[in-house]
Amino acid sequence: QVHLQGSGPGLVKPSETLSLTCNVSGSSIGVGYYWGWIRQPPGKGLEWIGNFYHSGSTYYNPSLKSRVTISVDTSKNQFSLKLSSVTAADTAVYYCARRGFISDDAFDVWGQGTMVTVSS
Amino acid sequence: QSALTQPASVPGSPGQSITISCSGTGSDVGAYNFVSWYQQHPGKAPKLMIYDVNNRPSGVSNRFSGSKSGYTASLTISGLQTEDEADYYCSSFTSSSTYVFGTGTKVTVL
Repeated sequence: QVHLQGSGPGLVKPSETLSLTCNVSGSSIGVGYYWGWIRQPPGKGLEWIGNFYHSGSTYYNPSLKSRVTISVDTSKNQFSLKLSSVTAADTAVYYCARRGFISDDAFDVWGQGTMVTVSS
Repeated sequence: QSALTQPASVPGSPGQSITISCSGTGSDVGAYNFVSWYQQHPGKAPKLMIYDVNNRPSGVSNRFSGSKSGYTASLTISGLQTEDEADYYCSSFTSSSTYVFGTGTKVTVL
């Protein structure tokens, strides 16, 4: 069974870089599927951040593209999110998720979510 | 990219059927059969309920069904149960090779 576990600092200062990691168990991220991030501000809806394909291609939300980097470490079977120049608007629960197993468009496995607050 | 439009809330009584709409454009919902639906209970991660417009993952009740007409996709829950009370989000692939979620709908079982 595939399991995703996100981790990272729960508090980030404005203008700094938010960094999160998602550890994957039960599946090798280097052999297939799309792996990415989705966030949800408190009391609000879901927002797709971006994902990468195992071949190395990356795709980002146009509204965040200038600040986002998703990278992968196949040796540790984990992938990471970096979001630079954060503001209070980036306060959210950040989910890591897998897409492409059942169907290319279905996010079928999600991490538990990591709450990140941007505040000084 | 703009969020897909969903009603903020849909109420229903136990045993009733309800339908949640998800309106997009010709660049997302109207362009592809890549619409999925997610159920989210408070404090929990979203759960995939429908993919590719009308397919259910293994383990999801057949009381959940999906459809699409033009630029609008729909999720129908039949035989509404108390455990169906949750937030529901649609999602679509877009012509920019990105993904967009809906604004979310709170289903209340009266």
